[in-house]
Amino acid sequence: GAVVSQHPSRVICKSGTSVKIECRSLDFQATTMFWYRQFPKKSLMLMATSNEGSKATYEQGVEKDKFLINHASLTLSTLTVTSAHPEDSSFYICSAVSGVTNEKLFFGSGTQLSVL
Amino acid sequence: KQEVTQIPAALSVPEGENLVLNCSFTDSAIYNLQWFRQDPGKGLTSLLLIQSSQREQTSGRLNASLDKSSGRSTLYIAASQPGDSATYLCAVDSSNTGKLIFGQGTTLQVKP
Repeated sequence: GAVVSQHPSRVICKSGTSVKIECRSLDFQATTMFWYRQFPKKSLMLMATSNEGSKATYEQGVEKDKFLINHASLTLSTLTVTSAHPEDSSFYICSAVSGVTNEKLFFGSGTQLSVL
Repeated sequence: KQEVTQIPAALSVPEGENLVLNCSFTDSAIYNLQWFRQDPGKGLTSLLLIQSSQREQTSGRLNASLDKSSGRSTLYIAASQPGDSATYLCAVDSSNTGKLIFGQGTTLQVKP
């Protein structure tokens, strides 16, 4: 079955640094990927929609300059948390859409970010 | 704006019991509804996907129903096992793009 690889699975960084999270579709092309954020014991909140070859579409309240999304190829989208602060600590997870129908939706395994 | 609510937030049952998890959504104009399982610190595992034209889907001990007009879905787990302990999330796709709106989840504990 289709697999989405998300890396790293866990990262600890100091305040002020930038962290890049990768989301790869391993055996299919994903024209659209989504990035979600999950606080402890809370639900997943959509951050942005990443479209290959174009700018990402951000949800209301999500800072574009804070969370940089790049979808440079049909198999890779990256989320960069810039100048990270402790309040950015969260679980980030991506999903990718395969093919024409959105039935084929696959999630990455998530990245736990801890900012000290 | 679509909102998804799950009740209860947490549930603890003895092994072997049948149980029902509830999900409701405010806007009935959805394309599909999906149930996921999430283990602590892990990603999502898709359990069942119900298209808007369908009433239910079954997989093994799991059965999900959808009443689109009333904005409700249920996930029925038969003969629960300790390995079923996890957080169960329901999510709706209102745009037919794969963009999902999630409920808060129900954390299930099945005691041996």
